[in-house]
Amino acid sequence: KQEVTQIPAALSVPEGENLVLNCSFTDSAIYNLQWFRQDPGKGLTSLLLIQSSQREQTSGRLNASLDKSSGRSTLYIAASQPGDSATYLCAVRKNNNDMRFGAGTRLTVKP
Amino acid sequence: NAGVTQTPKFRVLKTGQSMTLLCAQDMNHEYMYWYRQDPGMGLRLIHYSVGEGTTAKGEVPDGYNVSRLKKQNFLLGLESAAPSQTSVYFCASSFWTNNEQFFGPGTRLTVL
Repeated sequence: KQEVTQIPAALSVPEGENLVLNCSFTDSAIYNLQWFRQDPGKGLTSLLLIQSSQREQTSGRLNASLDKSSGRSTLYIAASQPGDSATYLCAVRKNNNDMRFGAGTRLTVKP
Repeated sequence: NAGVTQTPKFRVLKTGQSMTLLCAQDMNHEYMYWYRQDPGMGLRLIHYSVGEGTTAKGEVPDGYNVSRLKKQNFLLGLESAAPSQTSVYFCASSFWTNNEQFFGPGTRLTVL
């Protein structure tokens, strides 16, 4: 059974800092990995999708990497802003419809 | 495009009552999913559909039923609600299995 772990559970940084969020998974046989953002009381917003054949994806200040062999993905946020405060979730798709989510990292960016 | 919408946003039920949650998407996606989100546990897949007229069980299907009579709609039913079904329910859709999933805003359900 695929297990997805996100460490740390919570992170607080000052504005302007670069930061890395971690996601690890136990089964490397995956289709893809997706990073989401969730604001309090809201749904999930897709940030980046990395297919199993890819090593990284970039969107604006966000960069996600994937190392299947070690079962790890990182989400790099450059020059963090207070508006980046949210919970960040990673989800790993193992096969047709087995998608496993981590519990998330709650990020606070202080002005 | 409205994306993925969910109805209702909030609901309180008494134990044993039934209800149906509606999910609609206007992106012509084949795949649709129902998840529940509980504190500290991440999202877990309840049921999913790979196309109109199809449904399949996910990780935690017990106590729920689903129907996909139209491609754009995916219904989640609770026949006899239990307090353990208190949760936030999210619907999602994707064009195909390898594509990103888009989520609705969620339905917060409390069962007393």
